[in-house]
Amino acid sequence: DIVMTQTPLSSPVTLGQPASISCRSSQSLVHSDGNTYLSWLQQRPGQPPRLLIYKISYRFSGVPDRFSGSGAGTDFTLRISRVEAEDVGVYYCMQATQFPLTFGGGTKVEIK
Amino acid sequence: EVQLVESGGGLVQPGGSLRLSCAASGFTFSSYWMSWVRQAPGKGLEWVASMNQDGSEKYYVDSVKGRFTISRDNAKNSVYLQMNSLRADDTAVYYCATDTCGCWSSDYWGQGTLVTVSS
Repeated sequence: DIVMTQTPLSSPVTLGQPASISCRSSQSLVHSDGNTYLSWLQQRPGQPPRLLIYKISYRFSGVPDRFSGSGAGTDFTLRISRVEAEDVGVYYCMQATQFPLTFGGGTKVEIK
Repeated sequence: EVQLVESGGGLVQPGGSLRLSCAASGFTFSSYWMSWVRQAPGKGLEWVASMNQDGSEKYYVDSVKGRFTISRDNAKNSVYLQMNSLRADDTAVYYCATDTCGCWSSDYWGQGTLVTVSS
């Protein structure tokens, strides 16, 4: 199984400042079709998860452009350019390159 | 508007069974993979099972293989999770989710249904 490791566990951020979350996979996420199926999801308190980014860097419909994804192979990053109050929550990376699908442990973004 | 509405959760004793349902609307249900993902209280997300459009492909996390069965009824726009031999560590909110964007992720999620396994 592919293990997804996120850092940090928690990220206290000042409003308007950037935030960055790292996700590392135990093996390459490059699929045999050439795509890399790494996505990022946000879970606000008391809510189901919400898709933010798919295939490393594609923003899902309606997601603000302050969210961006990057990376390749086994190392990936989610960046929030200027954190807003509504960004508070837990962020998960997820790989869908092979079954079983696996999630990172989550990173809690909170306001300082 | 895409909607996924789970039902069937509740309190069950260890060793018991439950059947979760997820009613879908607002999209062409029969065209998309469906998945179940769970979240134990205060914990992270864990993928449980997925199936393809016609049910010919089904995948499970190891911890539920042989105990849980995912199925769907495209005529009723519904996906199900039959859970047998339930254990305390199956206690979680169970979400159904789909991938309508071809993102190889889950773009729509239900609100979840809570399953509590306890004596």
